[in-house]
Amino acid sequence: DAEITQSPRHKITETGRQVTLACHQTWNHNNMFWYRQDLGHGLRLIHYSYGVQDTNKGEVSDGYSVSRSNTEDLPLTLESAASSQTSVYFCASSSGRGETQYFGPGTRLLVL
Amino acid sequence: GENVEQHPSTLSVQEGDSAVIKCTYSDSASNYFPWYKQELGKRPQLIIDIRSNVGEKKDQRIAVTLNKTAKHFSLHITETQPEDSAVYFCAASKGNNRLAFGKGNQVVVIP
Repeated sequence: DAEITQSPRHKITETGRQVTLACHQTWNHNNMFWYRQDLGHGLRLIHYSYGVQDTNKGEVSDGYSVSRSNTEDLPLTLESAASSQTSVYFCASSSGRGETQYFGPGTRLLVL
Repeated sequence: GENVEQHPSTLSVQEGDSAVIKCTYSDSASNYFPWYKQELGKRPQLIIDIRSNVGEKKDQRIAVTLNKTAKHFSLHITETQPEDSAVYFCAASKGNNRLAFGKGNQVVVIP
């Protein structure tokens, strides 16, 4: 069955380290999104992509980057992890024409 | 950009009663309004959505109503059950495949 997966599911890192969170979908969706979820803030968009080689900044993009080299994957990189980036990160995807977004299981990141 | 607000932030209902969550949006160009349910420790999952050319949509015990003039839409859950306890997120989109989410409502169904 087609699906969207994230890895790792849990990650502990230290301040200043580079961290990459993986997102992989097998629906062949053009659109992929990264959100962070924090108590009291809901889901906030970090970066998104409408297709291969396309990336765009969301509302909370500082300190994060993404690259889209194929349809299936949109890895999220924290260039230099900060304690403020401790959060739950969700990846999502949607088809080119529809707007329903399907979420991955999430990655819980702790920056010490 | 689009601003989506949800009220109330927490809602407690007796099992079997109805629950209503309201969302307001700011951008009149928005035309797609999904509702997501998120159980503790799980991913958000779409439960129902509505487009701007429709005023109401129903799926078993859940329904969504849209008032474009007032720029608000509501989620209605009838005959609530303990498994309806979750955080519910509303969102809005204006056709650019991006969703603006509200901050979520905690619904607690009391057995």
